[in-house]
Amino acid sequence: DADVTQTPRNRITKTGKRIMLECSQTKGHDRMYWYRQDPGLGLQLIYYSFDVKDINKGEISDGYSVSRQAQAKFSLSLESAIPNQTALYFCATSDHRGDLYNEQFFGPGTRLTVL
Amino acid sequence: GNSVTQMEGPVTLSEEAFLTINCTYTATGYPSLFWYVQYPGEGLQLLLKATKADDKGSNKGFEATYRKETTSFHLEKGSVQVSDSAVYFCALSERGSNYKLTFGKGTLLTVNP
Repeated sequence: DADVTQTPRNRITKTGKRIMLECSQTKGHDRMYWYRQDPGLGLQLIYYSFDVKDINKGEISDGYSVSRQAQAKFSLSLESAIPNQTALYFCATSDHRGDLYNEQFFGPGTRLTVL
Repeated sequence: GNSVTQMEGPVTLSEEAFLTINCTYTATGYPSLFWYVQYPGEGLQLLLKATKADDKGSNKGFEATYRKETTSFHLEKGSVQVSDSAVYFCALSERGSNYKLTFGKGTLLTVNP
């Protein structure tokens, strides 16, 4: 099945460490997104990419960086993790041909804990 | 900017009860509206959508009608099941915002047998 996968699914790390979360998709979509989910706050957009050469900041990009290595791969990095970056992180994809609906397809999430 | 406000949870119902989760929005233009559902331990998945006024989205017994006059998109189901227990998110996207999704904070629904 075409899918959106995220690795790792769970990660515990310490303050100050560099962390990379990876996202891969087999849907052939051109657009990819990284979101953060905190209890009671819904989903907040960190970064998004409309194609390999297009990277854009979202609402809460401070402390994060991204890399779009290929159409199918979009990585999120925390250069120096801090405890308030403890959250559930989701990758999502969409197809520009679906602009009217902008249906996004989500990965299963990565639960990150920063001690 | 765009925003979505949905009723705070948690909502706890008995099986076969009627469900309403309220959602209102603020947008600068003419958005498309969505309900996403997140089952325990999973990512979000699209439940239903509507793209213009008076459209009704429906799926799995859930319905929501795009009400432009009241800027609302309330989610309803006539008879909930235990398997409907999940977090429900209302969201919008708009051409002027490059079709990025703006989410509400989510409503946790628990259905007891």
